[in-house]
Amino acid sequence: GAVVSQHPSWVICKSGTSVKIECRSLDFQATTMFWYRQFPKQSLMLMATSNEGSKATYEQGVEKDKFLINHASLTLSTLTVTSAHPEDSSFYICSARVPDREYEQYFGPGTRLTVT
Amino acid sequence: GQNIDQPTEMTATEGAIVQINCTYQTSGFNGLFWYQQHAGEAPTFLSYNVLDGLEEKGRFSSFLSRSKGYSYLLLKELQMKDSASYLCAVLDSNYQLIWGAGTKLIIKP
Repeated sequence: GAVVSQHPSWVICKSGTSVKIECRSLDFQATTMFWYRQFPKQSLMLMATSNEGSKATYEQGVEKDKFLINHASLTLSTLTVTSAHPEDSSFYICSARVPDREYEQYFGPGTRLTVT
Repeated sequence: GQNIDQPTEMTATEGAIVQINCTYQTSGFNGLFWYQQHAGEAPTFLSYNVLDGLEEKGRFSSFLSRSKGYSYLLLKELQMKDSASYLCAVLDSNYQLIWGAGTKLIIKP
């Protein structure tokens, strides 16, 4: 099956700093990638849809200036959490859609962000 | 609005069978997914139903009734490693996944 990687798998940063998370599709080209956030004991919450070569579409309530998404190539999307605060501490998961197969999404392993 | 309901938590015994239900109300329907998620890990794909009926895959089966907005995941011969959260998700008319809150399944020896 298709493989999606994320880096880093976990990160601890100080309040006020920025953190970049990478999401890569390793054996397929993904024109669309999704970024999710999951708080403890809650379900996944879609933050934004990232399309290669165009601006990301953010869900209501997600600050686009705080969560910067760049889908620079068909295999890489990045999420940058700017000026991180402790409330941004969460599990961030990306997924990539297989082109022309809208029902197929593959998830990365997730990134645990802790802001101190 | 869009809504997916599933029980918060279920408990079952090793070797037994458990059925996790999911009801949904979404704008459009392009299929229903079941994912398994262990604590601290990303979801892993279990099943996809787009037509009514039962799909069987080893110890796991998934059923869909589109007219009732209902699905269930059936797990047989439960093993301790099946202890996890099970997420029901529907692909809506915009091909976005709408997620349920997940059912935490606890397996007891």
